[in-house]
Amino acid sequence: ETGVTQTPRHLVMGMTNKKSLKCEQHLGHNAMYWYKQSAKKPLELMFVYSLEERVENNSVPSRFSPECPNSSHLFLHLHTLQPEDSALYLCASSPTRQDYGYTFGSGTRLTVV
Amino acid sequence: KQEVTQIPAALSVPEGENLVLNCSFTDSAIYNLQWFRQDPGKGLTSLLLIQSSQREQTSGRLNASLDKSSGRSTLYIAASQPGDSATYLCAVCDTGGFKTIFGAGTRLFVKA
Repeated sequence: ETGVTQTPRHLVMGMTNKKSLKCEQHLGHNAMYWYKQSAKKPLELMFVYSLEERVENNSVPSRFSPECPNSSHLFLHLHTLQPEDSALYLCASSPTRQDYGYTFGSGTRLTVV
Repeated sequence: KQEVTQIPAALSVPEGENLVLNCSFTDSAIYNLQWFRQDPGKGLTSLLLIQSSQREQTSGRLNASLDKSSGRSTLYIAASQPGDSATYLCAVCDTGGFKTIFGAGTRLFVKA
């Protein structure tokens, strides 16, 4: 484990379901991120939280809704997803937004059927 | 707009060979550059982080160099082993908006 824990590891959901992805870090980091990794594509930044405040939203569809209740936890709420949303969703944290690099979780493999 | 390119996209080498993976970026105004390893279906493991003021970083058999003026970084792996087989990604954090941009990765296969 890297210090960033993501649950669940795998998720299969129907297009009408609502589910949530969870990310937890106890590294004392102040910034947390959601990335999407689709097959044969570079990682795509979805959301950035710094000190529990959302500081970036990269034109992500509203069917993805992030939540950061405190500096250790980050959620990604999912509803009415499409099959093309199937991907590996990765959470990362860093001490601050720009320095000392990222620590990633193991990811949640999401399949939308 | 920062773009990060990794060449080659895939590489297959025999065990024991020394190899170099390349990463290039278009905007030299970077804060840092990080190399990651990703095993299939898994998250990313940080290998080396080079701050913009540094020229290289070393960890075990890995050495990463940074040349900001030419927009290049290399990851050198010495005496490759089958366990090194993975996808290697570089990520550039630029100073403009503190965005980190990832390359598409180099998929490495080390044959026993």
